[in-house]
Amino acid sequence: DTAVSQTPKYLVTQMGNDKSIKCEQNLGHDTMYWYKQDSKKFLKIMFSYNNKELIINETVPNRFSPKSPDKAHLNLHINSLELGDSAVYFCASSQEAGRGNTIYFGEGSWLTVV
Amino acid sequence: KQEVTQIPAALSVPEGENLVLNCSFTDSAIYNLQWFRQDPGKGLTSLLLIQSSQREQTSGRLNASLDKSSGRSTLYIAASQPGDSATYLCAVRLDGGFKTIFGAGTRLFVKA
Repeated sequence: DTAVSQTPKYLVTQMGNDKSIKCEQNLGHDTMYWYKQDSKKFLKIMFSYNNKELIINETVPNRFSPKSPDKAHLNLHINSLELGDSAVYFCASSQEAGRGNTIYFGEGSWLTVV
Repeated sequence: KQEVTQIPAALSVPEGENLVLNCSFTDSAIYNLQWFRQDPGKGLTSLLLIQSSQREQTSGRLNASLDKSSGRSTLYIAASQPGDSATYLCAVRLDGGFKTIFGAGTRLFVKA
């Protein structure tokens, strides 16, 4: 069973389009994240939700909007896609209540904007 | 502002060699430090997590140490194997928050 699953794995789309990436975790964790890994492989936090509440909102264009319908899901919607949005987007989760906090990652979504 | 640096950026070793990967961070006010492995085209897999109050953690051939006061962590891999070839990332969780800062990683290649 995949612990953190995200879809689609690959996405090629044209500039100006709107797209969504979905993420689900079956670990019972209370915190979920979206990370962006650029062409230089640098991993940067974008958003984080704890119990459906937004707790991290980094300096990200407001074309990016996360949505957490419940603790097990965190989706990422991107409006008016630009060439510079091409990257790998990783969803992750962790359990914050209690010590531990190991972060579990999904397999990534490869977004190419043409 | 917390910065995480990993040295070396890339490393190539013959199979069987013991090796050390280094991670340094600028602010010692951390909650925990985590080492990950990333295979090409894949997500990150957690290897070891060290809480700020701990000095080291071990899992199989892997041993991670933490010296919070000097802002350093090392990942020791014993008897390296070709299957260990991957990118290893160090990540520091800031104290008092949910934010985790990643290093750029060390690309390891173990030659058979």
